[in-house]
Formats: sequence, C-alpha cells, structure tokens
Amino acid sequence: EAAVTQSPRSKVAVTGGKVTLSCHQTNNHDYMYWYRQDTGHGLRLIHYSYVADSTEKGDIPDGYKASRPSQENFSLILELASLSQTAVYFCASTPGTEVFFGKGTRLTVV
Amino acid sequence: GEQVEQLPSILRVQEGSSASINCSYEDSASNYFPWYKQEPGENPKLIIDIRSNMERKQIQELIVLLDKKAKRFSLHITDTQPGDSAMYFCAASVNYGSSGNKLIFGIGTLLSVKP
Repeated sequence: EAAVTQSPRSKVAVTGGKVTLSCHQTNNHDYMYWYRQDTGHGLRLIHYSYVADSTEKGDIPDGYKASRPSQENFSLILELASLSQTAVYFCASTPGTEVFFGKGTRLTVV
Repeated sequence: GEQVEQLPSILRVQEGSSASINCSYEDSASNYFPWYKQEPGENPKLIIDIRSNMERKQIQELIVLLDKKAKRFSLHITDTQPGDSAMYFCAASVNYGSSGNKLIFGIGTLLSVKP
C-alpha cells in the first residue's frame, strides 16, 4: 500500500508562532495535497503540488504556505499560527486518481 | 471554488437495512468520483470509485451510481453491519489544466448502524 508519512502526529503551538507540518511519500506520486479537516466542513484543500519546486493554492490557502522541495516531500507552513487554525491536517499523495492519505496531524493552537 | 454537496450529514439505520448517501457536483468536466470511509481517529481510506464512463459499479455490498446529466452520484450500502459505522466522504475530481488535478470533497456523512 502507498505510504504517506506525516510528522509530527500532534502539536500544540502558541498563537503567533511558526508551525511546520511535514509530509513524506515513498510512492513516486506526482501529486501531493494538504487538506484540513474540521467538523461540519469535511476535508478542505489548502495547497497542492503536481511537481517538485511548484505549489498551487487550493480552496482555503490564506494563512498557509506550502513547499515541495522534492517529489517525496511536501510541507505546510503556518508563519503566524492563529486559534482558527486548530484542526486535523491530512497530507495525501496520488498518481492521478486514488488518493492516499497520511495518518494526520492534530494541531492545537493556544 | 468548486463545490461538492453531500447529504445527509447524519444517517442512522438499523443493522441489515440499506443506507444511501447522495452527492452532487458542479463541474461537468469532472470524470472521477471516489468514496472514502474514515473510522474515528483514522485517515480516510478509499472504498469504491467510479469513472465518468460508467453508470454503476458494485463491490460486494457497496453500490455506486453516477448520473452525469444530473451531475449526481450516490453510494448505497446494502445489508449494513455495525462495522459500517463511520464517516463517509464523496469526492469529485476537477482538472485545472496546467495547474493539475484537484479532488474536492463533500462535508461527509456520519453513518451509525444500530444492532
């Protein structure tokens, strides 16, 4: 099965601080995504990338940056964390159709 | 942005009965429609999918129907079991040309199967 590894699995961050969520895939997939999950909102796309060194904005990119330094790695960066960014974040990869999700990162901003 | 509407948000059924979840999408160019099941504390996992060249697909107790004209698709779980209790998400692919593909998800349906 496709392997998508996220780190950390959980994090408590201080308001205004910088947070970096990391994602690594060993599947040689072109596409990688960052989704955010909140109750009542399902899975919302933050940023995605279909090739190394390039990222695209998803549906809710405000307050987030993304970085794809290599095909295997895709990071989500919160430069100034806010309370509203408390959520579970999922990284995913796909060769083009089936999407494989990581285990998720539970981020709590206090 | 593109939307995928999913109903109902909560579904309670008796063990052995059928459960149906309905989704609709906006982009007529969408050509891939997967369904994901998420257990509590776990990541979403693909359970069945259908492409736009099909109208019906079945894998064991899971049936997916696609109506391209109406831009609707649905998941039907026959003979539900307590182990089917979970959150279910539908999704539709959206192609943005040089910006690649995106998968847009519905808000999810929390299915509870009572013994």
